[in-house]
Amino acid sequence: GQQLNQSPQSMFIQEGEDVSMNCTSSSIFNTWLWYKQDPGEGPVLLIALYKAGELTSNGRLTAQFGITRKDSFLNISASIPSDVGIYFCAGRIDRGSTLGRLYFGRGTQLTVWP
Amino acid sequence: DTGVSQDPRHKITKRGQNVTFRCDPISEHNRLYWYRQTLGQGPEFLTYFQNEAQLEKSRLLSDRFSAERPKGSFSTLEIQRTEQGDSAMYLCASSSTPTSAEQFFGPGTRLTVL
Repeated sequence: GQQLNQSPQSMFIQEGEDVSMNCTSSSIFNTWLWYKQDPGEGPVLLIALYKAGELTSNGRLTAQFGITRKDSFLNISASIPSDVGIYFCAGRIDRGSTLGRLYFGRGTQLTVWP
Repeated sequence: DTGVSQDPRHKITKRGQNVTFRCDPISEHNRLYWYRQTLGQGPEFLTYFQNEAQLEKSRLLSDRFSAERPKGSFSTLEIQRTEQGDSAMYLCASSSTPTSAEQFFGPGTRLTVL
């Protein structure tokens, strides 16, 4: 199956700091999405990106669809304690037998110190 | 709209028993997906439905797994003769149209096989 390489694996930051994480793939994706998951809960959709080069914001979150269509980035500005959780990138290929499914990275665990 | 719901939230069973999980998607969403998530990993695709038709199945979905969506609304996922390796979080998601990549997840069912 497709591999999404997400980094960093974990981050420990001070409240108020900005955060950057990224996701890369050996394959081209037509859609990139970012999710946040809290312990014991399902992932919550944060941002969806549909075009190469697209930059989309959702409050303090900004995500970009890489020009090569093989990567995506998520930035969180002025982090707050409730940003704690695991952030997942996901991609959709939209080709042949894989139409519909999302491929997920292994996640970035974010810890925010007050 | 109450979002995607899953039942039960937790299930503990003995090896060899059968278990069934239910997912109710967001109303009027015609696509429904099942994923499995193990500790430290992102969700992995199992199968998806468009209305009542099961359109794609992952190789992860062994013969012991079966999913149905008989009336195009709720879905069930059954695991027969459970094994310890089946212990995982089973996530359900739905999306509004075939072209939408935005999948909205339920809270998941945590399965523990003893």
